[in-house]
Amino acid sequence: GNSVTQMEGPVTLSEEAFLTINCTYTATGYPSLFWYVQYPGEGLQLLLKATKADDKGSNKGFEATYRKETTSFHLEKGSVQVSDSAVYFCAHNSGAGSYQLTFGKGTKLSVIP
Amino acid sequence: DSGVTQTPKHLITATGQRVTLRCSPRSGDLSVYWYQQSLDQGLQFLIQYYNGEERAKGNILERFSAQQFPDLHSELNLSSLELGDSALYFCASSVDLQNGELFFGEGSRLTVL
Repeated sequence: GNSVTQMEGPVTLSEEAFLTINCTYTATGYPSLFWYVQYPGEGLQLLLKATKADDKGSNKGFEATYRKETTSFHLEKGSVQVSDSAVYFCAHNSGAGSYQLTFGKGTKLSVIP
Repeated sequence: DSGVTQTPKHLITATGQRVTLRCSPRSGDLSVYWYQQSLDQGLQFLIQYYNGEERAKGNILERFSAQQFPDLHSELNLSSLELGDSALYFCASSVDLQNGELFFGEGSRLTVL
């Protein structure tokens, strides 16, 4: 079935450190892939997306590349800030005529000064 | 502000009771999704409506039901509540079925005592 597996958290980094959050997926068809971010007390908001293989999504210094061969969509940022502290969710739509999103369990990131 | 409005923000009730959660999607969005977020299960897709019609069903219990009205707002009804139904319930909306970009409300936190 459809699923998303992302690295367990929580992740604690110092400011300006490099961030990687791993995400792999199982899906039918050719899904689009997404990273959503949830700041404390708020709903989820789209961070970036990629709609086909080898596409790179990017936003606010975050990047992720759609790797079909490894069914992965790892999130990276070169230099994290305290304001990046949030929960990050990897997701896909199944791409088989069904457009609801399947989410990973989320990875909580804390960035300390 | 995502433009998606959910009420109530917090709700405390007793086992066996019934509650209704309300969602107003972004202006112009035809599709509404309901998700349940709990610590152990993560974000679980419940149900999706598009322009008043049910389009997809996820892990929604038979005790739960939803509908989307002609003005496109949606309600999620939870009945015969159990302790395990305590969770954050998110509504999200999107302009169409394929986009994949969902706009989330801030959620309704349900506590069942």
